[in-house]
Amino acid sequence: RKEVEQDPGPFNVPEGATVAFNCTYSNSASQSFFWYRQDCRKEPKLLMSVYSSGNEDGRFTAQLNRASQYISLLIRDSKLSDSATYLCVVNRAGSYQLTFGKGTKLSVIP
Amino acid sequence: EADIYQTPRYLVIGTGKKITLECSQTMGHDKMYWYQQDPGMELHLIHYSYGVNSTEKGDLSSESTVSRIRTEHFPLTLESARPSHTSQYLCASSEPAPGFGNTIYFGEGSWLTVV
Repeated sequence: RKEVEQDPGPFNVPEGATVAFNCTYSNSASQSFFWYRQDCRKEPKLLMSVYSSGNEDGRFTAQLNRASQYISLLIRDSKLSDSATYLCVVNRAGSYQLTFGKGTKLSVIP
Repeated sequence: EADIYQTPRYLVIGTGKKITLECSQTMGHDKMYWYQQDPGMELHLIHYSYGVNSTEKGDLSSESTVSRIRTEHFPLTLESARPSHTSQYLCASSEPAPGFGNTIYFGEGSWLTVV
């Protein structure tokens, strides 16, 4: 089983839709969690960290479920500019290495 | 925004040539990384460093080598380029984010094409 797994998509959604991505991780010692966004042929950029209690940044909400070992990202009121690949990133406790998921591709359609 | 720079951004080179991809960061981060990523595919860690004179191989085997003589500089070298080395190479550095492990920042990438 891969350490970090994501549904690769693509998710094709109309503008204004709400879309949710899940990411599962296999190592229960995982400590820190992030969502990164990567545009086509660009570098990944930090979208948001994921707090234990869940956190929100504008239209984006991230949640962590330690018992079931998954994190989620909810995007409300999708914009065309949200079209990108969303990468789930996990940091194991005591390690400086981060493990990246393969990414979920989102296409927001007019 | 991260201050991490890669040169060259784009390179087309002949088979058998030696190349060095440069990476510099001005944030004073101890930890630096090299990832390889083909278009539309996942990131693969090929090298990392926890500080000066520390280098380790990553999860994906690579014929490249790295060095870390200065904190801010982490170059990657291919002694003899082959078409199979054609890919995007992303340099990154990280800082411990209080309570959140490591936050990683990427350079814009170097696109290498070996013909």
